[in-house]
Amino acid sequence: KNQVEQSPQSLIILEGKNCTLQCNYTVSPFSNLRWYKQDTGRGPVSLTIMTFSENTKSNGRYTATLDADTKQSSLHITASQLSDSASYICVVSMNTGFQKLVFGTGTRLLVSP
Amino acid sequence: EAQVTQNPRYLITVTGKKLTVTCSQNMNHEYMSWYRQDPGLGLRQIYYSMNVEVTDKGDVPEGYKVSRKEKRNFPLILESPSPNQTSLYFCASSLSAGTSYEQYFGPGTRLTVT
Repeated sequence: KNQVEQSPQSLIILEGKNCTLQCNYTVSPFSNLRWYKQDTGRGPVSLTIMTFSENTKSNGRYTATLDADTKQSSLHITASQLSDSASYICVVSMNTGFQKLVFGTGTRLLVSP
Repeated sequence: EAQVTQNPRYLITVTGKKLTVTCSQNMNHEYMSWYRQDPGLGLRQIYYSMNVEVTDKGDVPEGYKVSRKEKRNFPLILESPSPNQTSLYFCASSLSAGTSYEQYFGPGTRLTVT
């Protein structure tokens, strides 16, 4: 079964600290892996997209890693800010010839002052 | 500004009363899709459209209809809403249906069916 699992479900960190969110997937055939940020009451916004051959991709203070062999990805947030408080969703795109996305349930991050 | 818009943003209705949620994008995107988001579940695809007049079922199409008469618009129709369709709905669009293209999401429509 095609699944994307994320951990932890929720996380509270102090402003200025770093954190890492995890994503494991069992999706096949694999095309790419995406991380989205979803603010409360808003639509998801793309942070990174990584293909099979990419190990790391950064977007400002966000750095995503991908290990296609173990089917794991992580999202590292550096020097967290209050505005980082959101849900972070890991999404795997299947290589079906057209877009077929499998969504994780997200990690809810709260950055505390 | 390039964006996906949805209307209404919030809707409370009663069982059986037909409703339409509109979705429009101004990016000339070919691919559009509807998702629902429920607590504890990832986003699930309802319907998608690869281009004008081309639509297909996603993973949870029961109780929904769509149409794509124009490239920019992709309305979601609930002919006879039921309480189990209470959810947060997102429309998304992408330049193409190819697997490498980014999807842009609308702001969401929170629907409550009583």
